[in-house]
Amino acid sequence: NAGVMQNPRHLVRRRGQEARLRCSPMKGHSHVYWYRQLPEEGLKFMVYLQKENIIDESGMPKERFSAEFPKEGPSILRIQQVVRGDSAAYFCASSGVDTQYFGPGTRLTVL
Amino acid sequence: DQQVKQNSPSLSVQEGRISILNCDYTNSMFDYFLWYKKYPAEGPTFLISISSIKDKNEDGRFTVFLNKSAKHLSLHIVPSQPGDSAVYFCAARGNSGGSNYKLTFGKGTLLTVNP
Repeated sequence: NAGVMQNPRHLVRRRGQEARLRCSPMKGHSHVYWYRQLPEEGLKFMVYLQKENIIDESGMPKERFSAEFPKEGPSILRIQQVVRGDSAAYFCASSGVDTQYFGPGTRLTVL
Repeated sequence: DQQVKQNSPSLSVQEGRISILNCDYTNSMFDYFLWYKKYPAEGPTFLISISSIKDKNEDGRFTVFLNKSAKHLSLHIVPSQPGDSAVYFCAARGNSGGSNYKLTFGKGTLLTVNP
C-alpha cells in the first residue's frame, strides 16, 4: 500500500520561472492538503482540496500560487514567477476521515 | 502569533531513559492533537494522537498526555532508542471557524538519543 507520493523530490528554478509540484494521495484518500516549511519553522497550512474542489485556500499567498486536484491525476501546486522567498520544503498530506499522512516533500530552491 | 509552541528546540537523553517532549497551545478551540516525527529530508511521520475528550493515549513506547486546563500536552517515549533521534512536531486541529481539518504545527523539538 503506497503512501503519499510527491514529485519531484528536489526542484531548482531561477527567479521568474514556474514551479509545478505534484502529489498523489494514499489509495482511498480523497482529501489533500499542502503545507510549506520554511527553514527553522514548523509546517504551515496552505490549502485543502477534495477532488475538483478547493475547500480552503486561506493559507495560500494571494498571488502567484494556485492548487488543483483534478478528477483524474495528482494534485498540483503551481507557483508562478518564483522568487527567492519561495525556497522551502513543500509537503503534501492526504487523509480519509481523520489523520493526515504526509509525503516526503518537494524541496524547492530558487536561484 | 504562535498558537502551538514547542519551547525546547532540542533535547538529549540516554538510551533506555525516558524522553519527554512538551507542547503548549493557546487556542481553546483546538480539540485534536497529534505528534509527528521527522527525519531529515523526509516527510513527517504520524506517531500518535489524542482527542480532547481524553487525557492519555498510549501506543507501545509512546504515550501522549493532555492537560486541557493548562493547554499543555506531552509525549513520553520510554525506553528511548537511538532510532528515535529525530525532530518531533506537535500539531493541533480544531473546530475553529469551520476549519476542523487544518493542522497548526509547533516549530519542533530535535530529540537526540545517545547510545
